[in-house]
Order: sequence, then C-alpha cells, then structure tokens
Amino acid sequence: GAGVSQSPSNKVTEKGKDVELRCDPISGHTALYWYRQSLGQGLEFLIYFQGNSAPDKSGLPSDRFSAERTGGSVSTLTIQRTQQEDSAVYLCASSLTGLRTDTQYFGPGTRLTVL
Amino acid sequence: KNEVEQSPQNLTAQEGEFITINCSYSVGISALHWLQQHPGGGIVSLFMLSSGKKKHGRLIATINIQEKHSSLHITASHPRDSAVYICAVPHTSGSRLTFGEGTQLTVNP
Repeated sequence: GAGVSQSPSNKVTEKGKDVELRCDPISGHTALYWYRQSLGQGLEFLIYFQGNSAPDKSGLPSDRFSAERTGGSVSTLTIQRTQQEDSAVYLCASSLTGLRTDTQYFGPGTRLTVL
Repeated sequence: KNEVEQSPQNLTAQEGEFITINCSYSVGISALHWLQQHPGGGIVSLFMLSSGKKKHGRLIATINIQEKHSSLHITASHPRDSAVYICAVPHTSGSRLTFGEGTQLTVNP
C-alpha cells in the first residue's frame, strides 16, 4: 500500500484484558513512531524505532505498555491489563530516514475503548 | 508552560477570510512541522520548516528561529479548510515530535 496502515481501526475491550495494535509503515521507511491522542487532549509521544538502534521508550506511560518492531518493518504495540485511562486513539507514523527534517506520515489510527 | 504553545485554540472565520494560526516553542529545534487533522481523525503533514517561509497553494508557513515562533496562514479560506491545525517540534535528542494543543478552525460559508 501507499501509506501507513493500522489495524484494527477500532478495538473495544474490557478492563484488565491485553490488547495488541498493529502498524504497517511505508515500505523502506526506517523510522517508526507511536503516538497517542486521548479524548480532548493533544498528541503525545509513546515510542520511537530507528533502524536497528535501541528504541526510544521514554514516552511509554507505564510498564504495561510495550512495543516491538520485527524485521525493521511491522510494529506491534501491546497494552497489558488495560485500564480505562488507556482509552485513546493510537497513531503510528513513519518517516524515510528519521531525521528531524523528515516528513512523518501518519496512519489512520486505532481507536481503543476500554470499558 | 508547555514546550509548544498554539494560539488561538479555536478560530471561526467566514469563507474568504485570511487566517493566521501562531505557534511558539521553548525548545531548541532544527525543524518545525505543521499538521492538519480532519474531522475523521486522519493527520497529514502540511509543512516542514527549518527557516524562512514556504507556500503551498493557499497555505503559507513562516518561521522565525531567533524568536522561536512560527505562523500558518490560509488565504481565501474555504469551508473545506475546517480542521484542527497542529504544530510540532522534534525533540532535542531525536526526531520524535512534541505537539501543540492544536487550533480548531471552522470556516463558515
């Protein structure tokens, strides 16, 4: 595909369950970012992958959140023991080289609702 | 104080009006991004600026590095310009973005 894709587009889960969110970046893009947008809030950074370097996890809000990127392509964000405050739209973005001047291309997001 | 501040938070205009959205930042950067988020939620990148001015159609973005300030202008605004406009700056130790709170623009016919 031409753009960043994410799945599922919507996820409703019960408090305490684990969820996995998937991101397929643009082919050839070395940098991949996860952001989150809570209802009525601005966007916030979660985690960033750049090539084979160790990921920047400094934005993850708790140890219930983890992410991996396999083969330098697809990424999965996992939230364990979900809480209601985890409800948000989770956005993935990718860029070609990861430079500050690179355009970041955003996926459509996954809307997570924790009941 | 947020690292990236936008004003105004909300802006309502009549079709055809000239619109300005402002962004001030407190961190040192090498680039600033303007993004557009439509009601459906999708985010697209409008501009990346490291100096001066850029123009794309009716959109113009300017940046003053010394004053740590950027503006996004829309000329001859149209109802389809209605969206949230977000400025974002790369972190000092990487390229992850720190975002402003966004400006909700509504252009009435």
